[in-house]
Amino acid sequence: DSGVTQTPKHLITATGQRVTLRCSPRSGDLSVYWYQQSLDQGLQFLIQYYNGEERAKGNILERFSAQQFPDLHSELNLSSLELGDSALYFCASRLGRSNTDTQYFGPGTRLTVL
Amino acid sequence: TQLLEQSPQFLSIQEGENLTVYCNSSSVFSSLQWYRQEPGEGPVLLVTVVTGGEVKKLKRLTFQFGDARKDSSLHITAAQPGDTGLYLCAPWSYDGLTFGKGTHLIIQP
Repeated sequence: DSGVTQTPKHLITATGQRVTLRCSPRSGDLSVYWYQQSLDQGLQFLIQYYNGEERAKGNILERFSAQQFPDLHSELNLSSLELGDSALYFCASRLGRSNTDTQYFGPGTRLTVL
Repeated sequence: TQLLEQSPQFLSIQEGENLTVYCNSSSVFSSLQWYRQEPGEGPVLLVTVVTGGEVKKLKRLTFQFGDARKDSSLHITAAQPGDTGLYLCAPWSYDGLTFGKGTHLIIQP
């Protein structure tokens, strides 16, 4: 158990819909990262938040957005869903900035868009 | 953007055999991390290599960082079914990790 929790574990929805994925980081970790993993693209970084503020953006679509709340949990919002958005979505958290600090990944949310 | 190539993409071997998987780039890494991801779970950090030529051992796993810091390898001795998983490499970054496509490893009993 990494200490990072994600809900829900599975999500099935239809094209055009909007969903929200939730992540609670490890206690004390200020940084939260979101990743998408699909068979064709592999594991890709989407976005990072640090202590409530957006810190870095990766390959995140404009239809996707995220935020980090004062209690440090984070939500990833996916809208106007397409079939190609079906993937595993992982959240990770990290304590600090050193290259000895570890990113701890949650168990993921499996999103299926029908 | 660093392009990472991991090879082989898939590997299926018998329990007890040895194997090596590779992570290569045309760019120099400041440091490199290896992760293992088991089915249905998130990636777990195995090791971080920092210095060119560095060798780190984790039980039956041996990680090597190339002298020029452009490549790395992971060698598993006497593979066990519990080693089955997706092995990913990524240059260390604070701003989000860029992973290779990984090596899917299956160890058959």
